[in-house]
Amino acid sequence: KQEVTQIPAALSVPEGENLVLNCSFTDSAIYNLQWFRQDPGKGLTSLLLIQSSQREQTSGRLNASLDKSSGRSTLYIAASQPGDSATYLCAVTGGSYIPTFGRGTSLIVHP
Amino acid sequence: EAGVVQSPRYKIIEKKQPVAFWCNPISGHNTLYWYRQNLGQGPELLIRYENEEAVDDSQLPKDRFSAERLKGVDSTLKIQPAELGDSAVYLCASSRGDRELEKLFFGSGTQLSVL
Repeated sequence: KQEVTQIPAALSVPEGENLVLNCSFTDSAIYNLQWFRQDPGKGLTSLLLIQSSQREQTSGRLNASLDKSSGRSTLYIAASQPGDSATYLCAVTGGSYIPTFGRGTSLIVHP
Repeated sequence: EAGVVQSPRYKIIEKKQPVAFWCNPISGHNTLYWYRQNLGQGPELLIRYENEEAVDDSQLPKDRFSAERLKGVDSTLKIQPAELGDSAVYLCASSRGDRELEKLFFGSGTQLSVL
């Protein structure tokens, strides 16, 4: 059974810092990995999707990398802003085609 | 393009009462998911549909939960009777079903409180 772990569980940083969120998974036979953002009381918004054959994806200040062999992904956020405050979740999709989620990293960026 | 629409947004009921949630996926999306998210946790799958067929419902507590997806479009998730432990956010998501390109789109969720 796929298990997804996210570290750290919570993070508080001053505005402007570059930061890294980590996601690890136990079964490397995946089709893709997605990073989502969730604001309080809201649904999830897809940020980036990395296919199994890819190493990274970029969108604006976000960069996600994937090392399938080691079962790890990182989400890099450059020049963080207060508006980046949210919970960030990663999900991996494997042979069952069911995205399995981690518990998320709760991020606070203070001015 | 309209997103995934869920209703109601909030629901408060007493234990042992029935409750139903409704989801309208993005037009053209064949795959529909129902997830449950407890506070501080990631979403956990309850059931997945491909068109009108439930292809994975192993995590659905079938003694009290039921779901349907009529005509492969809208879906309804029902709980009867509700228990205190069912309090959670129920999320619906849809996708095109492209496997490796399986980007999920989520609705805003229904926050259920069972008293």
